[in-house]
Amino acid sequence: DQQVKQNSPSLSVQEGRISILNCDYTNSMFDYFLWYKKYPAEGPTFLISISSIKDKNEDGRFTVFLNKSAKHLSLHIVPSQPGDSAVYFCAASDYGTASKLTFGTGTRLQVTL
Amino acid sequence: DAGVIQSPRHEVTEMGQEVTLRCKPISGHNSLFWYRQTMMRGLELLIYFNNNVPIDDSGMPEDRFSAKMPNASFSTLKIQPSEPRDSAVYFCASRLAGGTDTQYFGPGTRLTVL
Repeated sequence: DQQVKQNSPSLSVQEGRISILNCDYTNSMFDYFLWYKKYPAEGPTFLISISSIKDKNEDGRFTVFLNKSAKHLSLHIVPSQPGDSAVYFCAASDYGTASKLTFGTGTRLQVTL
Repeated sequence: DAGVIQSPRHEVTEMGQEVTLRCKPISGHNSLFWYRQTMMRGLELLIYFNNNVPIDDSGMPEDRFSAKMPNASFSTLKIQPSEPRDSAVYFCASRLAGGTDTQYFGPGTRLTVL
């Protein structure tokens, strides 16, 4: 049972445009959400997170939006740059499970010139 | 600052052999996690430790898998005997317990079992 879902395996966006990566979850106990970026042959790198008490968190070009009623979060990258090309993983945790992260299957973003 | 260190980066072995993967967490971090990444299942948590104690090993696929954390700066994941279906990338991550839930990952070990 996939509790965190990233339904788009890949996304292609032109440089300078907005990239929107989506993530849905089914477990209503999740209260902390993270996005990781992964380049080939490297480990996932933490990008940005959001607590369930917020609906938006911004860090430079990256913004995460959380819609708890829809159990949906999204990552916006504006403007997209070629260096953003990577696989993006959504992850969620439940305080009651002591920070055990559940990951989605990832979305491969390609930013084209 | 040194991040999470994993060794070896690549391992090729034959079916039936013992494989040992190693991890050094970030200094000061007291939670350590082992993950496996495959095309079919994505990133799966295998086991995690808090203060060197295994907390949840429900993700360990079989008895052929075992993990230890003898001290705060070292952990091993052992597969004995290895099988071709164990071929995957294995990641170690660490976290400072009591802070946010953010985990920091090592570069991974790519395991190929022939």
